Amino acid sequence: DSGVTQTPKHLITATGQRVTLRCSPRSGDLSVYWYQQSLDQGLQFLIQYYNGEERAKGNILERFSAQQFPDLHSELNLSSLELGDSALYFCASSPRTVTEAFFGQGTRLTVV
Amino acid sequence: KNEVEQSPQNLTAQEGEFITINCSYSVGISALHWLQQHPGGGIVSLFMLSSGKKKHGRLIATINIQEKHSSLHITASHPRDSAVYICAVRSSTDKLIFGTGTRLQVFP
Repeated sequence: DSGVTQTPKHLITATGQRVTLRCSPRSGDLSVYWYQQSLDQGLQFLIQYYNGEERAKGNILERFSAQQFPDLHSELNLSSLELGDSALYFCASSPRTVTEAFFGQGTRLTVV
Repeated sequence: KNEVEQSPQNLTAQEGEFITINCSYSVGISALHWLQQHPGGGIVSLFMLSSGKKKHGRLIATINIQEKHSSLHITASHPRDSAVYICAVRSSTDKLIFGTGTRLQVFP
């Protein structure tokens, strides 16, 4: 158990809908990272937050947004969902920015 | 060309064999991570390296910063080592860039 909790574990939704994925980092970790893993793209970095502020941005679509709250949990919002958004979404946390990252178990999103 | 290249893509081994997975990268990095992804999808961080060598049990990771190359070695491989091993580099802008992974199957 990495100490990083992601909910829900599985999510099935229809195209055009909006979903929110939640991540609770390990106690005390200030950095939260979001990744997408699809069958054809492999693991892709989406976005990083550090102590509530956006720190780095990767290949995140404009339809996607994220935030980190004062209690350090983070949410990834995916809107206007398309079939191609079906993927595993991972959250990871670390105490600071350049340290070992601990991964959650992922949320499997299926868009139908 | 991908910024992080792993080889081989697929690897099969007999139990007990010594295994090496290679990772080459073309960008400036502050650290390199080796990750293990099990068939169920869960990801475990194995190592984070910025120089030299680290060992944890039967796993050894090395990095050569000048040559922009890292290797992950598994000694005395076991079927429970079967997983996808992913190399990821942390760029100077703090983004993680992933390799495509090496799928390892170890047979008894």
